[in-house]
Amino acid sequence: AQSVTQLDSHVSVSEGTPVLLRCNYSSSYSPSLFWYVQHPNKGLQLLLKYTSAATLVKGINGFEAEFKKSETSFHLTKPSAHMSDAAEYFCVVSERGSQGNLIFGKGTKLSVKP
Amino acid sequence: DGGITQSPKYLFRKEGQNVTLSCEQNLNHDAMYWYRQDPGQGLRLIYYSQIVNDFQKGDIAEGYSVSREKKESFPLTVTSAQKNPTAFYLCASNNGQLNTGELFFGEGSRLTVL
Repeated sequence: AQSVTQLDSHVSVSEGTPVLLRCNYSSSYSPSLFWYVQHPNKGLQLLLKYTSAATLVKGINGFEAEFKKSETSFHLTKPSAHMSDAAEYFCVVSERGSQGNLIFGKGTKLSVKP
Repeated sequence: DGGITQSPKYLFRKEGQNVTLSCEQNLNHDAMYWYRQDPGQGLRLIYYSQIVNDFQKGDIAEGYSVSREKKESFPLTVTSAQKNPTAFYLCASNNGQLNTGELFFGEGSRLTVL
């Protein structure tokens, strides 16, 4: 069975400092992994995805994530936070080659202080 | 502009009443999905449809019903059988299977039961 754990429910950073949002997954098969962002009272938008190619994945708005199979992790990073990055972020896992569901993490709320 | 339109954005309902949430897309996507979002819980799949006139139950289908009479439209009815309907409801679509992970979301409908 697949599962995903976002290790922090809330992360607070200062503008211009690095962002790290942590995600660990569990999957019996080769996983696909995704990060989505949700601004308040809005839908979700895909930030980036890993499906089996390069383990370092670059996304929109300067975000990137690295797939580490040995650590079963897919942490999201950004070198320098901007006020507009304040939002909720969801890590998502699915099993490639299956008809399976997407499993969403519970979300990490990112606050950015001026 | 192409996208997904959900309406109404906010909805209040008395206990015992059915309510229907609208979801329309002009992306020419074959598949459409309904998710429920509760604070701190991530997203959970209610129903999905991969083709007109066909749909499948997701993880939490009890108390909900859907129809897919047109490719563009996938309305969700929250029935009086749903024990705890207050939530944020998100509609999504894509042109592949659910496990491809790339979903396009509407801006959501917030239902409050009084």
